[in-house]
Amino acid sequence: QSALTQPASVSGSPGQSITISCTGTSSDVGGYNYVSWYQQHPGKAPKLMIYDVSNRPSGVSNRFSGSKSGNTASLTISGLQAEDEADYYCSSYTSISNYVFGTGTKVTVL
Amino acid sequence: EVQLVESGGGLVKPGGSLRLSCAASGFTFSNAWMSWVRQTPGKGLEWVGRIRSKTDGATTDYAAPVKGRFTLSRDDSKNTLYLQMNSLKTEDTAVYYCTTTLLRWTTYFDNWGQGTLVTVSS
Repeated sequence: QSALTQPASVSGSPGQSITISCTGTSSDVGGYNYVSWYQQHPGKAPKLMIYDVSNRPSGVSNRFSGSKSGNTASLTISGLQAEDEADYYCSSYTSISNYVFGTGTKVTVL
Repeated sequence: EVQLVESGGGLVKPGGSLRLSCAASGFTFSNAWMSWVRQTPGKGLEWVGRIRSKTDGATTDYAAPVKGRFTLSRDDSKNTLYLQMNSLKTEDTAVYYCTTTLLRWTTYFDNWGQGTLVTVSS
């Protein structure tokens, strides 16, 4: 199972919106509405930010939103803040009952 | 508050074995599905395997790179998850995270431990 494809880095200024893409295949992202997104600050464990494509867990800012079109899922961060600077990973359930993660995207707040 | 505390990591030679533990608290462990996810130094995340609750048969699934070498198990009386790793390879070097899937049959990892480092080297 190959990793989902994400851009290596995305940057934006405070207050701006950025979007991170996550591209897979019809056997994972395109086949199920089971995409989740995780935020990881340096030296810390990942944190769930979005599940089932577009749902936010309790306590996650509504500045984070998710969507999907075909084999590509997206995470949008609006009103970018300094604390959003981190690595972000997507994940998808797959047709062989396992999970695949994305390659990861480093978000930089300029 | 959900707490997951991994232990058992360390340095092991190629071909060796190691058993990781994950002590859980703050939720009904017996109802949760549990997974291990690893992260190679400076690289991305990789799902290792999952064990369902006893209610759901305590069945397991594994990623292809570890299938046949790694075994997940759980002791609900001790609220503890285990990962038995045999025939270790240098490419198994990673931080291993214990994760929860609190709602059965969902497909995301809602809580993560702080991780334990496994280094496979001669």
